Formats: sequence, C-alpha cells, structure tokens
Amino acid sequence: DVKVTQSSRYLVKRTGEKVFLECVQDMDHENMFWYRQDPGLGLRLIYFSYDVKMKEKGDIPEGYSVSREKKERFSLILESASTNQTSMYLCASSTLRGGDTEAFFGQGTRLTVV
Amino acid sequence: QKEVEQNSGPLSVPEGAIASLNCTYSDRGSQSFFWYRQYSGKSPELIMFIYSNGDKEDGRFTAQLNKASQYVSLLIRDSQPSDSATYLCAAEGVSKLTFGTGTRLQVTL
Repeated sequence: DVKVTQSSRYLVKRTGEKVFLECVQDMDHENMFWYRQDPGLGLRLIYFSYDVKMKEKGDIPEGYSVSREKKERFSLILESASTNQTSMYLCASSTLRGGDTEAFFGQGTRLTVV
Repeated sequence: QKEVEQNSGPLSVPEGAIASLNCTYSDRGSQSFFWYRQYSGKSPELIMFIYSNGDKEDGRFTAQLNKASQYVSLLIRDSQPSDSATYLCAAEGVSKLTFGTGTRLQVTL
C-alpha cells in the first residue's frame, strides 16, 4: 500500500516567515510533486523532482523552492510567506513507467498565512 | 487556453442514472489520461487511467479516450450518493501530470 505522508495537516504562519512543508513516501518512487489546490483553479503544479537533487519548475514556481536530498523526501519551502500563498498543498509521488505516470497523493496541508 | 479543461459543474444526476463527465486536452503529445475522485476535504484518489483509444471498463466506471478529438470521458453507471465528489481529469506530460479544475458531481436521492 503506497503511503505518502505530509508532515502537517494544518499550519498557520505569519507573513514573512520561512515555511517548510515536508513530504515522505515509502514506495521508492522516483518522481515527487508539489501541487497547490485553490477553488476554481484546480490543482496547479509548483515543482517536481524525478531524482535525488533534481528539480524542475512546474506552472507556478514563483515564491517557492524545493529540496530533495533523499529519494523518499521532498520538501517545499516558502522563502517569505505571503497571504496569497494561503492554500491547500498536496504532495504526490509516482514511478517512472514510460507514459504511465500514476500519482499517489498525501493527505494535504492546509496552510493559512496571516 | 488551459491544457486540460473540464466543466466545473455541478453535474446533478439521480441515483441509479448514468453520470457522464467530460474532459478535453490541448497537448497532442499526451499519451496517458487519469481520472481522480476527490471528496470534500480529502486528497485525490485514482479511479482509473487510459492510454488506448476506445473504452476501458472497471466495474461501474468506463473511461473513454478519443485522441483524434483530444477528448476523454468518464461514465459512472448506476450512480450512488457515495459517488458525489469532484472528479479530476489529468493528462500525462513529461514525467508529470497536468490536472483540470475538476467537475463536481452530485447524485441525488
């Protein structure tokens, strides 16, 4: 059973704080992703990684960075949190299988920036 | 133009009816397509995927793909109240998935 675990379910941070969201998967998946989900906008890809120390920008990387020092862990960093980063953040992982990239999601972190 | 487009709904169907959810995509290079179900306050869970033209059936669910028309659909037969959720369509890119905004389905008693 694939397990993707995010460190926090709910988080409240102040504007300007540096915020770390952690994600761990236990299935030895190569790919890991960070999405944010907002009403009416759906799931938008922030960053993804296809290998340790490798990262690629998604559709909305501005204001975020990521770190992947170990295969099982992918961290999302908000360098200086702003109110427009209040959102639901979802981590996902998947295997590399040619065109078949089934993704499994963590439970989500609802971040509120005040 | 969004890469993956869905009607946001809500789509309301009576219990026992067939629910038809539709999705179009713009990237002709996409090879695989996925349907996820998301209950309110929960994370998405995969229902099924399809990568060949035609139909793919799994229980009450049937996915349909038409690459010429760049169109993917999900049919839910014998709809149940427990099927009430948001359904997300996703298209595979280079090692990543691009999602539509989702269609909210309501199955009424």
